[in-house]
Amino acid sequence: NAGVTQTPKFRVLKTGQSMTLLCAQDMNHEYMYWYRQDPGMGLRLIHYSVGEGTTAKGEVPDGYNVSRLKKQNFLLGLESAAPSQTSVYFCASSSAVNQPQHFGDGTRLSIL
Amino acid sequence: SQQGEEDPQALSIQEGENATMNCSYKTSINNLQWYRQNSGRGLVHLILIRSNEREKHSGRLRVTLDTSKKSSSLLITASRAADTASYFCVLTGNQFYFGTGTSLTVIP
Repeated sequence: NAGVTQTPKFRVLKTGQSMTLLCAQDMNHEYMYWYRQDPGMGLRLIHYSVGEGTTAKGEVPDGYNVSRLKKQNFLLGLESAAPSQTSVYFCASSSAVNQPQHFGDGTRLSIL
Repeated sequence: SQQGEEDPQALSIQEGENATMNCSYKTSINNLQWYRQNSGRGLVHLILIRSNEREKHSGRLRVTLDTSKKSSSLLITASRAADTASYFCVLTGNQFYFGTGTSLTVIP
């Protein structure tokens, strides 16, 4: 089973460029999440979704947008990348809000 | 902060020893979860303990929860080099919060 798959795994952008990170899960989970992980700060929730067609803001949503057009996919967009968005981005999914989350292996994003 | 706070931040032990890491929190919770993260990888769920449980076991893992003290501990017995990773507690209630993690190094 693939579980949660993130693409791409690595990316380097210039300031002001845009890009979309893709997350796909094959577990039929309702809940999906996007996090960023910075050194010494643990994981911070960017946006999440409680089902197809729904999205909600997390702890650090500014500068990001998301879409959940299909249940299995959750997209994270950066409209105008900034160096402060250099981070490792993780996607996760779960069957319910209090249930274990399944994580992808992350996307390492550098903004120059 | 409503995050869990792990203690210690870093721990280094010899293979075969036990490793104990703690998580303290301030909010009320439905359950508390522990995750492991190997270097360069995503987090992997280890164990979930509900707020009405006091202790739970899974293989070499033992988790305790003291809701009166708002604290939890994760014990890894007979540690192995492969246990080298970062360990996070996650508080789940109306929302959920990740701690900042304990970095465990097991020396062969």
